[in-house]
Amino acid sequence: EDQVTQSPEALRLQEGESSSLNCSYTVSGLRGLFWYRQDPGKGPEFLFTLYSAGEEKEKERLKATLTKKESFLHITAPKPEDSATYLCAVQARSDYKLSFGAGTTVTVRA
Amino acid sequence: DAGVIQSPRHEVTEMGQEVTLRCKPISGHDYLFWYRQTMMRGLELLIYFNNNVPIDDSGMPEDRFSAKMPNASFSTLKIQPSEPRDSAVYFCASSSRTGFTDTQYFGPGTRLTVL
Repeated sequence: EDQVTQSPEALRLQEGESSSLNCSYTVSGLRGLFWYRQDPGKGPEFLFTLYSAGEEKEKERLKATLTKKESFLHITAPKPEDSATYLCAVQARSDYKLSFGAGTTVTVRA
Repeated sequence: DAGVIQSPRHEVTEMGQEVTLRCKPISGHDYLFWYRQTMMRGLELLIYFNNNVPIDDSGMPEDRFSAKMPNASFSTLKIQPSEPRDSAVYFCASSSRTGFTDTQYFGPGTRLTVL
């Protein structure tokens, strides 16, 4: 069974204080690892897909990286609008469903 | 693009009543997924369809839950009878396999409260 573990559960940052979120996973043949952002009362919003170890993707202040066992979401010089819950999910080659982690709730204070 | 549309956005009902949640996927998408999100269990897949056919319903909690997709632009998730432990946010998502990419796009969710 696919497993996804995210840490920490919660992260409180000062504006401008860079940090990283971790997503550890076990899956039988990785098709893709997905990062989503979820704001309170809304559905998850797609951020990135990573397909192979060593791959990196960036979007504004966010950068996602992938190894064979984990992925990191780096937040550089965060702003209050980066406050959200960040969800990691894996998709196996044998299937199309996503298995999600519990998420990391990031709060950025001005 | 209107995105995935779900209705109602909020539903409050009493235990024992039938509840029907509705979803309109993004036009052209051939996969549709139903998820449930709770504080205790996080986001978990209930069932998904490909070309209107149910592919995997192993996440459906019990026989009280049923899902249908009568056509490419509409799906329903029904709970009959509803119980307080069914209270959660239910999300619909859709995707399309274009090349190697099959990103799932989520709707705004339906918040269900069963009293």
